[in-house]
Amino acid sequence: ETGVTQTPRHLVMGMTNKKSLKCEQHLGHNAMYWYKQSAKKPLELMFVYNFKEQTENNSVPSRFSPECPNSSHLFLHLHTLQPEDSALYLCASSQASRQGRAGELFFGEGSRLTVL
Amino acid sequence: ELKVEQNPLFLSMQEGKNYTIYCNYSTTSDRLYWYRQDPGKSLESLFVLLSNGAVKQEGRLMASLDTKARLSTLHITAAVHDLSATYFCAVGPVYNTDKLIFGTGTRLQVFP
Repeated sequence: ETGVTQTPRHLVMGMTNKKSLKCEQHLGHNAMYWYKQSAKKPLELMFVYNFKEQTENNSVPSRFSPECPNSSHLFLHLHTLQPEDSALYLCASSQASRQGRAGELFFGEGSRLTVL
Repeated sequence: ELKVEQNPLFLSMQEGKNYTIYCNYSTTSDRLYWYRQDPGKSLESLFVLLSNGAVKQEGRLMASLDTKARLSTLHITAAVHDLSATYFCAVGPVYNTDKLIFGTGTRLQVFP
């Protein structure tokens, strides 16, 4: 398998549920990202991991919790979400420089989340 | 805070016509990317522009970068229906190497 794969592709959850989104990259990259894409809004950067270390938390509510166990895997743990969190969540990877400079992003297909 | 603006936000054009999408950004950058997104799909990388005056072409699309004007353009030549998609530019600010900030996107619709 190549590229960036995300699971599940679609997720429906209640506000009291706990679920996780998974992302795996097969490109040998050293940086991974979570973006949120809502209707009629620009893509919002949520989290950045460079060399497995979280380097960016873009003022994301604590009900979203990222985890990066190694440079190939990235998770987004979800709990007590709100209906306004319904969106397409995109994972991406890149080959960052030693200074952490982000390179070209390669995106997964996304996980479409609906919060009831 | 870096701001990235694209215009137009929506573009409906006839097949065979030419048009340009503009991407303006508000602070110094040395990296600019163009992406394409089809409905219900992920983002596909189109162009990587890393220097002032960079120009890249792929098929009917040509992208350019003017870092002094803080402007990139995506020019469409003789549009065809298959180019219908949403196009995003993304800018990497010099002051924050981790981030790529995306524009609002330009939804392109090409009709016969």
